[in-house]
Amino acid sequence: DAGVIQSPRHEVTEMGQEVTLRCKPISGHDYLFWYRQTMMRGLELLIYFNNNVPIDDSGMPEDRFSAKMPNASFSTLKIQPSEPRDSAVYFCASSKPGTNEKLFFGSGTQLSVL
Amino acid sequence: AQTVTQSQPEMSVQEAETVTLSCTYDTSESNYYLFWYKQPPSRQMILVIRQEAYKQQNATENRFSVNFQKAAKSFSLKISDSQLGDTAMYFCAFILSTPQGGSEKLVFGKGTKLTVNP
Repeated sequence: DAGVIQSPRHEVTEMGQEVTLRCKPISGHDYLFWYRQTMMRGLELLIYFNNNVPIDDSGMPEDRFSAKMPNASFSTLKIQPSEPRDSAVYFCASSKPGTNEKLFFGSGTQLSVL
Repeated sequence: AQTVTQSQPEMSVQEAETVTLSCTYDTSESNYYLFWYKQPPSRQMILVIRQEAYKQQNATENRFSVNFQKAAKSFSLKISDSQLGDTAMYFCAFILSTPQGGSEKLVFGKGTKLTVNP
């Protein structure tokens, strides 16, 4: 299996622009998680899905952030409009119940908002 | 809400020596899992070791072992015979176990930056 695939690996954009981060979970995994990593706050869970349904989005910082999972093999995290404080590494992870709660992480997207 | 605390922002160790990274957590639940993840400069999150709360025996994976003290809510990671490749950020993490076997939120500590010196 190719693992969790995230794109792009790096994204540089200007303040006010829309940013879309993409994630393909491992086939057969029922859960998908979006995390944000910053120096100040560490790794924060933004939102997670179970069987394509959002279960908990309490970590989404504000309305500028939205996430979708239209099918079992694809999810997006969108920021509109982006701000410099959104600069961070965004990780996607997936897991399958019954595998001892093991999360498989993608390689992350380094987002820089200028 | 569950919280995970790593009190050592940075640590260093000489190659071939042993180092212990500390982690404490807070929960009122009894069924959960604890993890240590390694994040090298490549940014990839790598699972190092996992402990089920219902197991009294401490988990070990080659040079990595944990000291799990459930009553004290402590979960430290010991790295023996440290190698240069162990240089990384290390995150302690916690997740509740659900009756359905599903995954809840994985909560991370802030991390400990470990440097192994030659």
